Order: sequence, then C-alpha cells, then structure tokens
Amino acid sequence: DSGVTQTPKHLITATGQRVTLRCSPRSGDLSVYWYQQSLDQGLQFLIQYYNGEERAKGNILERFSAQQFPDLHSELNLSSLELGDSALYFCASSPAEGTRESQYFGPGTRLLVL
Amino acid sequence: GEDVEQSLFLSVREGDSSVINCTYTDSSSTYLYWYKQEPGAGLQLLTYIFSNMDMKQDQRLTVLLNKKDKHLSLRIADTQTGDSAIYFCAEAVYNQGGKLIFGQGTELSVKP
Repeated sequence: DSGVTQTPKHLITATGQRVTLRCSPRSGDLSVYWYQQSLDQGLQFLIQYYNGEERAKGNILERFSAQQFPDLHSELNLSSLELGDSALYFCASSPAEGTRESQYFGPGTRLLVL
Repeated sequence: GEDVEQSLFLSVREGDSSVINCTYTDSSSTYLYWYKQEPGAGLQLLTYIFSNMDMKQDQRLTVLLNKKDKHLSLRIADTQTGDSAIYFCAEAVYNQGGKLIFGQGTELSVKP
C-alpha cells in the first residue's frame, strides 16, 4: 500500500458525460501527479500540482481539467467523454516538486466509457 | 525528443536471473526509475538511480546505467513466480517539473 488513495475504483459512464476522479496523496506529500494508462498510448503524464498550484502539463486534453485543494487532495475532471477516454487513471504523489522526488502511485481509477 | 523503449516480453525459469532492458533518448535525464505493475494493481516503485551513478544494488535488484549509450537495465536475481508482472522504466527529465516519461513496459513471465 503506497498511502495514495483514489476513488472511485471503477467508473462506467456514457459518451458525452462528465466525471470527477479523486485522489488523496500520502500524508505530508505536497505534489500530486495524474497519469493516464491506455492500451494504445501506454502511460502518459497529464498534469502536476504542487501545493495547490499547477507545475507541469503533459498531453492533457482541453476537455480535462484538474485542481489541487487546500487540504492537498486533487480532482481530475473529465468532460464530454468519448469512447477513447476509457483508460486507467493514476494519481501519484511526492513530498516536494522536481525531478529528484520519487513518485508513489495510487491503485488507479478504471474508467469505461460506453 | 523524449522517448523510452523497452522490449515487450521476457520469460524466465524460476531461480534464474532476469534482465530487463530500457533505452532512453533524453540526455538531460536526471533520475531513472523502475516500477512494477501486477495485474489489476497500481504501480509499485521498485528502485531508482541518479544519472551520475553506474550501478545501484538493492537486495535482489541491481540497476545498471550506461549513460553514454543511454541504456538502463534491471537485474532480478533468483527470480520467483511472484515476480511475474509488468516492469516499467521511467525517466525524470531535467527542468520539466516532476514529469515521468514511461516505457511501454516489459511483461515478465516466470515459469516454475
């Protein structure tokens, strides 16, 4: 158990809908990262927050947005969902920001868009 | 550009050593990581190496880094059936926050 929690574990929804994925980092960690894992794209970095502020952005679609709240939990919002958004979404956390910080991953949220 | 490549499959016998290889393209990589993913589970951090090191050993795991060839390997000694999983290497690139670039993953199958 990494100490990173994600809810829900599974999510089934329809195209065009909007969902929110939630992540609680390990106690004391200030950075939160979101990754998408799909069969065709592999593991892709989406976005990073540090202490409430956006720090780095990857291949995140405009339909997707994220935020980190004062209690350091983070939410990833996915809207106007398409079939291709079906994937495993991981959250990771680290104590600080920067490349020397090891990232600890949560169990993931499996999203299925029908 | 940033790219990390791994072979997709490796099959070994229980008790043998496994060597999983990875190549990366970005010369400004700082830290390189190995993660393990078991079926239906998240990614478990196994080990990491800083880019100015050649080798790191951690119990049954040995990481070798050839910075000139941009080649990274993970050796698992005395491989057990419980080591069957997908292994990902990832690089953290300088000046890109905490972004990790992952390889496609190597599926390790350990036969009894």
